[in-house]
Amino acid sequence: NAGVTQTPKFRVLKTGQSMTLLCAQDMNHEYMYWYRQDPGMGLRLIHYSVGEGTTAKGEVPDGYNVSRLKKQNFLLGLESAAPSQTSVYFCASTTTSPSGGRGEQYFGPGTRLTVT
Amino acid sequence: GIQVEQSPPDLILQEGANSTLRCNFSDSVNNLQWFHQNPWGQLINLFYIPSGTKQNGRLSATTVATERYSLLYISSSQTTDSGVYFCAVERWYGGATNKLIFGTGTLLAVQP
Repeated sequence: NAGVTQTPKFRVLKTGQSMTLLCAQDMNHEYMYWYRQDPGMGLRLIHYSVGEGTTAKGEVPDGYNVSRLKKQNFLLGLESAAPSQTSVYFCASTTTSPSGGRGEQYFGPGTRLTVT
Repeated sequence: GIQVEQSPPDLILQEGANSTLRCNFSDSVNNLQWFHQNPWGQLINLFYIPSGTKQNGRLSATTVATERYSLLYISSSQTTDSGVYFCAVERWYGGATNKLIFGTGTLLAVQP
């Protein structure tokens, strides 16, 4: 059981380049999330998904797109990277609680992205 | 939206000491979790505790939902306890928020 995995672990991009971050979970969770973490800013939600084929915007969605074609994968795309997107990106997935809401959240190891 | 405040913001302990971290939230919640982010950046789920008390080794947590706070106790602290501790909450409205709201964290440094 690998839990939540993210690829790549590190990446350096030039301004204007594009890339896709991959998140995979093997726990059959319905809910998946992408966060960014910047010094002094805590964790901020970018996009999330409540199930296969669904996506929704979080607090800071501009400049990012996501897709959830398969239940176990959640992709985060940067179409035209900007220096302001330099950050550490975390993916997470969440269990469903016995009452039907969200349960425990599990995080991936993170991707450190630098945009020059 | 719900506000989450954690205290203290920073804490320095000698190895072996005990500590209590607090999380206050501004509205009733259905979901409360504690996370530890170690110095290497890894985020670990410590407790899912919307109410009541749980214990896991040297760590325990108590949530008093009616008074809108949660406490995380660390006993006999070790250097490996260093890092940032986050509290996160969620309230399920009729349509559900689908997301956790995180506090700003408590930075803990345990010195040998």
